[in-house]
Amino acid sequence: KAGVTQTPRYLIKTRGQQVTLSCSPISGHRSVSWYQQTPGQGLQFLFEYFSETQRNKGNFPGRFSGRQFSNSRSEMNVSTLELGDSALYLCASRNTGGEETQYFGPGTRLLVL
Amino acid sequence: SQQGEEDPQALSIQEGENATMNCSYKTSINNLQWYRQNSGRGLVHLILIRSNEREKHSGRLRVTLDTSKKSSSLLITASRAADTASYFCATDNTDKLIFGTGTRLQVFP
Repeated sequence: KAGVTQTPRYLIKTRGQQVTLSCSPISGHRSVSWYQQTPGQGLQFLFEYFSETQRNKGNFPGRFSGRQFSNSRSEMNVSTLELGDSALYLCASRNTGGEETQYFGPGTRLLVL
Repeated sequence: SQQGEEDPQALSIQEGENATMNCSYKTSINNLQWYRQNSGRGLVHLILIRSNEREKHSGRLRVTLDTSKKSSSLLITASRAADTASYFCATDNTDKLIFGTGTRLQVFP
């Protein structure tokens, strides 16, 4: 099976802009989670989607949002970008039929100038 | 912060030596997982240990879990230069992973 894919891999934006990141899970996986990794805060959970519904949410402001499509692909959006949003954004998928392991994609590195 | 703590923060060893990393966490868990990350890339899943297990092996990896102390350790035996990476523990209690701060391992040839 193909692994989790994320696009784009690298992105440069300026403050105030918005950005959309995309994640395609492993075929058959219905749960998609998003994580942010920064040198200061480490790896932090953003949200999880399952069957097009947000099932879990971390402690991030409302500028961070996401959605999941019927084919389980997911997008996350960050509006009104701030310098502190510069980070590696990681997507993970999981087969919720008893599977506990989350499989991560290569990440999207976002730089906000 | 919800994050767990890992120690040491950094570890340098020679090839062939064993590497031990420790992880402490704060809440009750369903399972604890270890991941490896090379140079800011994606996370690679190494091993999962459930809350009712005390020890688990996978190849050169050995993981222990002590739920009474809320701690886990990862042992990599006979390390190789290719093991150079950052290692993270992650606890799973409500379908989301809470990561530790990570241990940066450097294995010298």
